[in-house]
Amino acid sequence: DAGVIQSPRHEVTEMGQEVTLRCKPISGHNSLFWYRQTMMRGLELLIYFNNNVPIDDSGMPEDRFSAKMPNASFSTLKIQPSEPRDSAVYFCASSLRRGLNHNSNTDTQYFGPGTRLTVL
Amino acid sequence: QKEVEQNSGPLSVPEGAIASLNCTYSDRGSQSFFWYRQYSGKSPELIMSIYSNGDKEDGRFTAQLNKASQYVSLLIRDSQPSDSATYLCAPPSQGNLIFGKGTKLSVKP
Repeated sequence: DAGVIQSPRHEVTEMGQEVTLRCKPISGHNSLFWYRQTMMRGLELLIYFNNNVPIDDSGMPEDRFSAKMPNASFSTLKIQPSEPRDSAVYFCASSLRRGLNHNSNTDTQYFGPGTRLTVL
Repeated sequence: QKEVEQNSGPLSVPEGAIASLNCTYSDRGSQSFFWYRQYSGKSPELIMSIYSNGDKEDGRFTAQLNKASQYVSLLIRDSQPSDSATYLCAPPSQGNLIFGKGTKLSVKP
């Protein structure tokens, strides 16, 4: 299996531009997570999907951020308009979860290589 | 607000020594714990998971969980320079993983 695939690996853009990050989860996994990592805040969960349905987007920082998962093999994270403070590494992860009961064990999350975003 | 606390380090140990990494968490409902390792410029990768109180050993790694104290640790025996990385503690909370900011470990040859 190729693992979680993310593109692009690096993105440099100017403030105000639209940025779209892409993710292909591991085949057969039914949960997908978008994270943002910075030195100051560490690894933050932005949003996660289960069976293509957004379950929790409370980590999405602003309305400028949006995420979609049109099918089981593809997800996008869009920032419009982008700002310099959005500069970070964005990771996508996937897992094969057994359920949504928060008392059950959470399955291992497998991370993609990340997209390093720089907004000038 | 669920919180995970880790000493940010850097923790520096000589090659061959035992490295001890600690993590405390606020969610009493957490039933399992994950330790991820992240090399500089790379993505996090799972190295250990533990589901019950006590110790779990896997090669040079031992995870220790104390649910009553809401404390989990990771011991690395015979530390190698290749163990130099940031180690992230991740207890689950409400179906997700809440990651600590990580402890940076440096193993000196």
